[in-house]
Amino acid sequence: AQTVTQSQPEMSVQEAETVTLSCTYDTSESDYYLFWYKQPPSRQMILVIRQEAYKQQNATENRFSVNFQKAAKSFSLKISDSQLGDAAMYFCAYRSGAGGSEKLVFGKGTKLTVNP
Amino acid sequence: DAMVIQNPRYQVTQFGKPVTLSCSQTLNHNVMYWYQQKSSQAPKLLFHYYDKDFNNEADTPDNFQSRRPNTSFCFLDIRSPGLGDTAMYLCATSRDPGPNQPQHFGDGTRLSIL
Repeated sequence: AQTVTQSQPEMSVQEAETVTLSCTYDTSESDYYLFWYKQPPSRQMILVIRQEAYKQQNATENRFSVNFQKAAKSFSLKISDSQLGDAAMYFCAYRSGAGGSEKLVFGKGTKLTVNP
Repeated sequence: DAMVIQNPRYQVTQFGKPVTLSCSQTLNHNVMYWYQQKSSQAPKLLFHYYDKDFNNEADTPDNFQSRRPNTSFCFLDIRSPGLGDTAMYLCATSRDPGPNQPQHFGDGTRLSIL
């Protein structure tokens, strides 16, 4: 079974600075997808960024980028120029590329605080 | 505008008293999911519907059931809630099944069993 580990329960960053959230995963599959979701307090969870395992190039969405190290099974999220609105719980998630599996396997999350 | 709407936002119920949580969507998506998220834990998939086909996860307790009367609505029924069922319940949708389809989440229902 696949597992996702986020080793940092909490992180903080100064506004306008850069922060990196860690995520590692365990799988024997070669075809899979990785995601970072953001869940602001009392708000819905939204997709931040997605990475297909077969793509070597790291995904980027504006201020958000990932460092995908397939051999190391590592998938970290970098937030540049942090803003107060970035404060949230961040979840790393794994999804198999095999047909018939709809399960998103989540890590326990990292709570990010942005200090003004 | 909210596209995945969960009601109620907060629900308190007594041990053993059946409870139903509601999810509706305006996206016309084919797949609807229910996740359970206990305090300080990762969300965990309970089951999902692909159109009218129900797909239960192997480790979902029998106490948990779901109904999808039409494309827009999906319900989570807990027949005899126990104290351990206290959690946030998240509904999500995707246009179609498959890992390439992003999931859209509702705000969640925070359920407390007393």
